[in-house]
Amino acid sequence: SAVISQKPSRDICQRGTSLTIQCQVDSQVTMMFWYRQQPGQSLTLIATANQGSEATYESGFVIDKFPISRPNLTFSTLTVSNMSPEDSSIYLCSVKRTGTSNNEQFFGPGTRLTVL
Amino acid sequence: EDKVVQSPLSLVVHEGDTVTLNCSYEVTNFRSLLWYKQEKKAPTFLFMLTSSGIEKKSGRLSSILDKKELFSILNITATQTGDSAVYLCAVSAGGTSYGKLTFGQGTILTVHP
Repeated sequence: SAVISQKPSRDICQRGTSLTIQCQVDSQVTMMFWYRQQPGQSLTLIATANQGSEATYESGFVIDKFPISRPNLTFSTLTVSNMSPEDSSIYLCSVKRTGTSNNEQFFGPGTRLTVL
Repeated sequence: EDKVVQSPLSLVVHEGDTVTLNCSYEVTNFRSLLWYKQEKKAPTFLFMLTSSGIEKKSGRLSSILDKKELFSILNITATQTGDSAVYLCAVSAGGTSYGKLTFGQGTILTVHP
């Protein structure tokens, strides 16, 4: 499995501010994804982070609210912009390894965000 | 729209019991079904299933997929308090959805000593 780290692990933010979450993988991966898990809910895919191009967003998520960068095959950032209490969630990055023909995916440790 | 439904939503058992968790799905262009264990924040990968009828086993955990009836089960035998967690089922599709996971609601398992 890939070793995935995320920073910060948790944060408490004021409404109206923005937070950037970093995801670092120990090896090159083909695909990186960002998920959100709202309190008491399951995981929902926000977007696929594409290396060198704009991310692909799922229905209900837009670039202005969740800008994503992926400058190389081992690193991505997700920004939660103009936050409101409804953005309080766990944010998780996941990766699919390069060279595998299957769909095993591994998750980072997550970032617990609380918006006041 | 792809859909994954897990049952039961919660389960309380005592140590030593055997539990069966269920996952049914509706997905276009199915590729695989994955099981995860989530204790705090990060889901931990358990199994990936792609073929019907082939059991995957790891210690006290096992899982099997039925692609005809569109469901999977996760069995845990001789449960321990450390098995207490949320168990998530997810499906992966191909085509334009390649690599994306659609998750079920999860089953909250509580194992009492």
